[in-house]
Amino acid sequence: NAGVMQNPRHLVRRRGQEARLRCSPMKGHSHVYWYRQLPEEGLKFMVYLQKENIIDESGMPKERFSAEFPKEGPSILRIQQVVRGDSAAYFCASSQNGGGTEAFFGQGTRLTVV
Amino acid sequence: GEDVEQSLFLSVREGDSSVINCTYTDSSSTYLYWYKQEPGAGLQLLTYIFSNMDMKQDQRLTVLLNKKDKHLSLRIADTQTGDSAIYFCAETPKAGNMLTFGGGTRLMVKP
Repeated sequence: NAGVMQNPRHLVRRRGQEARLRCSPMKGHSHVYWYRQLPEEGLKFMVYLQKENIIDESGMPKERFSAEFPKEGPSILRIQQVVRGDSAAYFCASSQNGGGTEAFFGQGTRLTVV
Repeated sequence: GEDVEQSLFLSVREGDSSVINCTYTDSSSTYLYWYKQEPGAGLQLLTYIFSNMDMKQDQRLTVLLNKKDKHLSLRIADTQTGDSAIYFCAETPKAGNMLTFGGGTRLMVKP
C-alpha cells in the first residue's frame, strides 16, 4: 500500500504563473488535508476535503488559492498568479475516516517562486 | 484561537535522554501528537495521546501529558544520531479536525 503521494516534489514558478500541486491519498482514504509550511515555521492548516466536498477551508487565503478533491483522481491545490510569499512547502495528509490519529503525510511539494 | 508553543532547539549527546516540551492553549484538545520531520522529508507520526491519559510509552518514547497545565512532553531514551530531526507537537480538538502545530523543536544529537 503506497503512502500519500505528492507531486511534483519541487516546483519552480515565475511570479504571476499558476502552480498546481497534486496529492494522491493512501488507498482507501477519502479525507485529505492540505498544510503549508513556511521556512523555519510549523505547518499551518489550509483546507480539509472529502471526495467532491470542501469540509473546512478556514485556513485558505481568500484569493488566488483553491482546492478540489474530485470523485476520480488526486486532490489538487491550485495557486493562481503566484507571488514570492507563496514560496513554501505544501504538505498533504490523508486519513480513512477523518480521525486525526490516522492522518498520514506525504513528502510535500516545495514551491519556489522566482 | 488555538496556540501551540515549543522551544526552538535542543542539543544532547548520544546515549543521553532527550526531553522536548510543548504547551498548548486549547482546553478542548482531545488528541495530542508528536511528529518527526527529517530534512527534506514529510512528517512521520511518532506517537499520540488521548486527553484522558497522562502517560503513554512506546519503546524509547514516553509521552507525558499534564492537562491542568496544558503541557505535553516527549522523552526519547538512549538518543541516537538518527534521532536528529525537527519534532512537532500538534493538537486537535476532536478526531477528524485539522491539526494545529507548534513551530517545531530542532533536536541535534552529538556523537
